[in-house]
Amino acid sequence: SQTIHQWPATLVQPVGSPLSLECTVEGTSNPNLYWYRQAAGRGLQLLFYSVGIGQISSEVPQNLSASRPQDRQFILSSKKLLLSDSGFYLCAWSGGRQLETQYFGPGTRLLVL
Amino acid sequence: DQQVKQNSPSLSVQEGRISILNCDYTNSMFDYFLWYKKYPAEGPTFLISISSIKDKNEDGRFTVFLNKSAKHLSLHIVPSQPGDSAVYFCAASALPGSNYKLTFGKGTLLTVNP
Repeated sequence: SQTIHQWPATLVQPVGSPLSLECTVEGTSNPNLYWYRQAAGRGLQLLFYSVGIGQISSEVPQNLSASRPQDRQFILSSKKLLLSDSGFYLCAWSGGRQLETQYFGPGTRLLVL
Repeated sequence: DQQVKQNSPSLSVQEGRISILNCDYTNSMFDYFLWYKKYPAEGPTFLISISSIKDKNEDGRFTVFLNKSAKHLSLHIVPSQPGDSAVYFCAASALPGSNYKLTFGKGTLLTVNP
């Protein structure tokens, strides 16, 4: 069966510091991968998606970037965090016979102070 | 422009009764719809989906209804249980060619009272 991991679970970072969040998927190959952010009281906003290694599409101009160095690894980064980057970050994957259904990881709560 | 709308931020239901969660969309290109359930500080869990070629899909206590002409879908939970208390997100996708991106509503908090 497929599983998706995210770490860390919680992160508190000062403004201006760098960020690296990691997501890995097991049990599938060549998945589509997605990064979402959920701000307080809001829905899920798609930030980036990737259909293959090195292929990244950005949905929202922002202070963040994403990379996919390996087939089942997706990384969300920032060089300098802003207060507005605080939120709950979710990684998701889809693949196999059900590309239209996304499955989410446990999420990372980021607090920028 | 919010393409997927969940106009009720919250809903309270008695245990054993029916919960009806509603979702409206504006993009006529959407042809695949999903419902997710989310507990606090956890990732959303996929519940049920429906393709635009159908008007109903059922899975146990969960049934999703789609009214394409009204651009409206609903999730029925019968009977409701206290463990169903969570935020429910409606999502939509325009297939094919969208890279399977999902557009989410803002969610509805369901509380099932014992």
